Amino acid sequence: GIQVEQSPPDLILQEGANSTLRCNFSDSVNNLQWFHQNPWGQLINLFYIPSGTKQNGRLSATTVATERYSLLYISSSQTTDSGVYFCAVVLGTASKLTFGTGTRLQVTL
Amino acid sequence: GAGVSQSPRYKVAKRGQDVALRCDPISGHVSLFWYQQALGQGPEFLTYFQNEAQLDKSGLPSDRFFAERPEGSVSTLKIQRTQQEDSAVYLCASSFSPYNEQFFGPGTRLTVL
Repeated sequence: GIQVEQSPPDLILQEGANSTLRCNFSDSVNNLQWFHQNPWGQLINLFYIPSGTKQNGRLSATTVATERYSLLYISSSQTTDSGVYFCAVVLGTASKLTFGTGTRLQVTL
Repeated sequence: GAGVSQSPRYKVAKRGQDVALRCDPISGHVSLFWYQQALGQGPEFLTYFQNEAQLDKSGLPSDRFFAERPEGSVSTLKIQRTQQEDSAVYLCASSFSPYNEQFFGPGTRLTVL
């Protein structure tokens, strides 16, 4: 079955708007990371957050491991935020990261 | 630099050729992972090393794919007799341990003609 689900799949925002991206996962997690994949394909680490809440500038993230979900908040979006956002988890006893299907974000002027 | 590096960045191969892709992990990282990313998809796991030991190769799609990390640092992913379906971006990641934060290299984009 589906192990890591992200929503929404696509999101179009006007510059300055706020958004929330969601990641649901099907098992206990030992590692959860949020990435931004830029147009050149580089995966940029945003958060390492297997539990709790973290903030970094305009971005913040919350993981509720007991309820098996994580949220990524983007405030005051900028055109440079455009790209694909991936949630990836290490589930159960695995070692590998399992990636979600991603949220493709487009921020327009 | 202090990040994960990969070479070559781009590789074009004729169907049937063998290719070798290199990954230099972050110094001190004992865990090394290879992932494959097809166009429009998220990365998918290929194989995992802890130091020089290959502990998981369950994601390798066929026996044409082979990976090694003989001295526990640099790793090479080799694909024999390449096929068109092997065209993808191959990503390498490293971390202190599987449960620690993984850092990714820029990837090698392989195109098989």
